[in-house]
Parts: sequence; C-alpha cells; structure tokens
Amino acid sequence: AQKITQTQPGMFVQEKEAVTLDCTYDTSDQSYGLFWYKQPSSGEMIFLIYQGSYDEQNATEGRYSLNFQKARKSANLVISASQLGDSAMYFCAMRAGYALNFGKGTSLLVTP
Amino acid sequence: DGGITQSPKYLFRKEGQNVTLSCEQNLNHDAMYWYRQDPGQGLRLIYYSQIVNDFQKGDIAEGYSVSREKKESFPLTVTSAQKNPTAFYLCASSIAVGTASTDTQYFGPGTRLTVL
Repeated sequence: AQKITQTQPGMFVQEKEAVTLDCTYDTSDQSYGLFWYKQPSSGEMIFLIYQGSYDEQNATEGRYSLNFQKARKSANLVISASQLGDSAMYFCAMRAGYALNFGKGTSLLVTP
Repeated sequence: DGGITQSPKYLFRKEGQNVTLSCEQNLNHDAMYWYRQDPGQGLRLIYYSQIVNDFQKGDIAEGYSVSREKKESFPLTVTSAQKNPTAFYLCASSIAVGTASTDTQYFGPGTRLTVL
C-alpha cells in the first residue's frame, strides 16, 4: 500500500524568502510519479510540479522545485522568493496506477 | 479556453434526497475522476473512468453512482445511501496513458455539498 506523509500542518514564511515543504512517501512500486498541488481558499487544486521515479534530475517549474531524494523516499517542494499569493494549502500526491494518493497537506502563510 | 467546469458551486440537500453533481471537460481527456475532500484531509477517490461507458469504483464508492455517456461529461450522484455526504467534491481529468505515472490530473473548481 502507498502512503504519503506531510509532517508540517502549518508553515510561515516571510515574503521573498524561500520555504521548503516536506513530503515523504512509502511504496513498493518501482515506477511512480510524485506531484505537488496548491489549493487556495477558493478550493481548486492547482497542479504545480511533477517528478518521475526514474528522473535523475530534480524537477523545476518557475519558482517551484522538487528536492527528490529517492533513497530517503522524500519529495520536498521548495518555493523560492515567496509571494503573498503563495498562501494556500499544499498537497503532495503519488500516482502508481489510476488514482492519486494524497497527503493531508501543509498550510503555508506568507507574511509581508 | 480549455478546462474543467463543475456545477453547482454550492449545493444543499435534505436528508434522504439524491443529488447530482456535474463535471464537464473540454480538454479531450479520456480519463475522469471524482474525489471527496473532508476538512483537514487530503482527497479520496470515489470513482474513475478511463473510457466512455466504463468506470470503476475507487476507495469510497459506497453511496455514490456515476455515468460516462460522453467523453466530456462525468456526473456524480450522491444517493441517500451515503451516510455522511457533507464534503467538498472535486472532479479531475487526465490524458490517461494507461497507468503511466506521468499522467497528470487536472482539477475543476469543486462543489461544496451540505446536507441539512
């Protein structure tokens, strides 16, 4: 069975600073995908970034990067130069098969 | 603009009533999904469909039903058999390259269902 763990219920970061949101996973599958989604207060889940289990380089998308450490089974999201609009819930998810398995999320608050 | 629409945004239901949540996508995706989100929780899969006229149960299908008569549409019915239906419901779609881990799911804006 797969499991996604996000150990930080809430995080604070000052505007323009970088922040790391933690995600660890457990799976016996060799091929899997790791995703991060952002959920603002409006509720929509916004896809941010993807990392494949066979990808040798860490994924990057603009201000988002994924620190993928396969041996440690971690896939932490790094947001650089935080903006006030980054305040939201962030979910780590893993896919192996048809569905996504989600962690419980981390609430990020960016302060001026 | 391509995307996923869900309606209504808010829905109120009396106990014992069935209600249907709409989900439409114009992304030409083959696969569609329904998830449920409870407060402080991640998403849990209710049903998914990889192709028209075919769908499979997810982890929490009891008390729900779906249909997939058109590629663009995947409505979810919350039946009176669902004991605790108050939740936030999210529809998603993906290109559906088999079970490839690269297949990204994109989400609609959600429907918030409240049972009175």
